[in-house]
Amino acid sequence: GNSVTQMEGPVTLSEEAFLTINCTYTATGYPSLFWYVQYPGEGLQLLLKATKADDKGSNKGFEATYRKETTSFHLEKGSVQVSDSAVYFCALSVWGGGADGLTFGKGTHLIIQP
Amino acid sequence: DADVTQTPRNRITKTGKRIMLECSQTKGHDRMYWYRQDPGLGLRLIYYSFDVKDINKGEISDGYSVSRQAQAKFSLSLESAIPNQTALYFCATSDLGGLAEGGQFFGPGTRLTVL
Repeated sequence: GNSVTQMEGPVTLSEEAFLTINCTYTATGYPSLFWYVQYPGEGLQLLLKATKADDKGSNKGFEATYRKETTSFHLEKGSVQVSDSAVYFCALSVWGGGADGLTFGKGTHLIIQP
Repeated sequence: DADVTQTPRNRITKTGKRIMLECSQTKGHDRMYWYRQDPGLGLRLIYYSFDVKDINKGEISDGYSVSRQAQAKFSLSLESAIPNQTALYFCATSDLGGLAEGGQFFGPGTRLTVL
C-alpha cells in the first residue's frame, strides 16, 4: 500500500533559520507528491507539488525535490519567518492506483520564535 | 466567498445521536472527499465520490455514511455517534486531473465533539 513518513514535531526554530522537514514515501505506481500547510484554525492549503521524478516544487520560499532514488520529498526553506508557524503535511496520490484520495503523513508542527 | 464551505463549523453532541456534516463547493469539481484529522495521526480518508452516482469507501468508513445530493454537495453522517469519533472533519474537492496535477482543495473543517 501507500504510506508517507515525515519527521515528528514540534520543530522549533528561530526566525531566519534554515528549515528542513523530512518526508519519505512508499507507493504502488507512480505518485504525485505534495506539501500542504495548515495554519491555526484553518483547513489545509496546497503549498507545493511535484508530479514526476526530479521535479522541484516551489512556493513562498519553500522548495521540495522529488527524489525517486531515495523515495523522498523533503521540504526546505532558507530563512523562516514567524508567519511560517503552522502544521506541514507531506502527501501523495497515485493516479490510476485504484483507491482515490490523498495519503498523508502525520504532520509536523513548526514553531518559529522571534 | 470560500470555494469549499462546511457546516457546522463546531458541534458538540452526545453518544448515540445522529449527526450530519455538510459540504458545499463552488469550484465545479466532480470529485469530493471526507477526511478526519486526529492529533498525531494526520488525515485519514473516510469516503470519496467521483460523481453523484459513484460513492466509495475510504480507509476508515465504519460508523459513517455519505450522500452526494448534487455535484456541489456531499454530506457525511454519523448514524449513532460515539466518543472516538471526536475529531476535526474536512471536506475536499478535486477535478479529474486534480490529484495528479493540483492536489485537492479543502474546506475550513468541522470540529465535532461526542460526549
